[in-house]
Amino acid sequence: DIQLTQSPSFLSASVGDRVTITCRASQDVYRFLAWYQQKPGKAPQSLVYATYNLQSGVPSRFSGSGSETEYTLTINSLQPEDSATYYCQQLSIYPLTFGGGTKVEIK
Amino acid sequence: QVHLVESGGGVVQPGGSLRLSCAASGFAFSAYGMHWVRQAPGKGLEWLAFIWNGRRDENYADSVRGRFTVSTDISRNMLFLEMSSLRAEDTAVYYCAKAVTGGHDIHHWGQGTLVTVSA
Repeated sequence: DIQLTQSPSFLSASVGDRVTITCRASQDVYRFLAWYQQKPGKAPQSLVYATYNLQSGVPSRFSGSGSETEYTLTINSLQPEDSATYYCQQLSIYPLTFGGGTKVEIK
Repeated sequence: QVHLVESGGGVVQPGGSLRLSCAASGFAFSAYGMHWVRQAPGKGLEWLAFIWNGRRDENYADSVRGRFTVSTDISRNMLFLEMSSLRAEDTAVYYCAKAVTGGHDIHHWGQGTLVTVSA
């Protein structure tokens, strides 16, 4: 199975900061990598698919990049509503595994 | 507008069975693949299963293969997850999710239904 390792597992940043979350795969996932946002008590929301494509309605301060085994989610100008846990998922090879999550806190 | 509503969760004893349902609306259900994903209390997301509508093609996580079965009823726009031999570690919120056309990427999620496995 492909293992996805997210780093950091927790980060605290101020409004307006640029934040980067990394997702490292145990093997090449050929850019079949997605990102999700989940707020406490809520269902996940899809942010980015196929490495860099923003889902409809997602603010442009979110962006994704990467290739092969290393991928990043960047939030430019962090906003209070971005406080959440973020997960990556590889959709290249079954089983379609998730990363362990990164909790983003607003200082 | 895509709408996914899970139901069927509840409390079940270890070793028991349960069937979850996901009612889909707002899109051509037969044209999309569908996922089940779960989240144990305080834990991360775990992908469970994927089914391609219109073809006999399902895939499962190792943790549930042989115990869980995913299926659909296209005539009723329904997705199901039949769960058997349930264990305490199956306690979780279960989400259904809609994939994109011809692919696996998840674009829409349901609100989830809680399954508790306890004596």
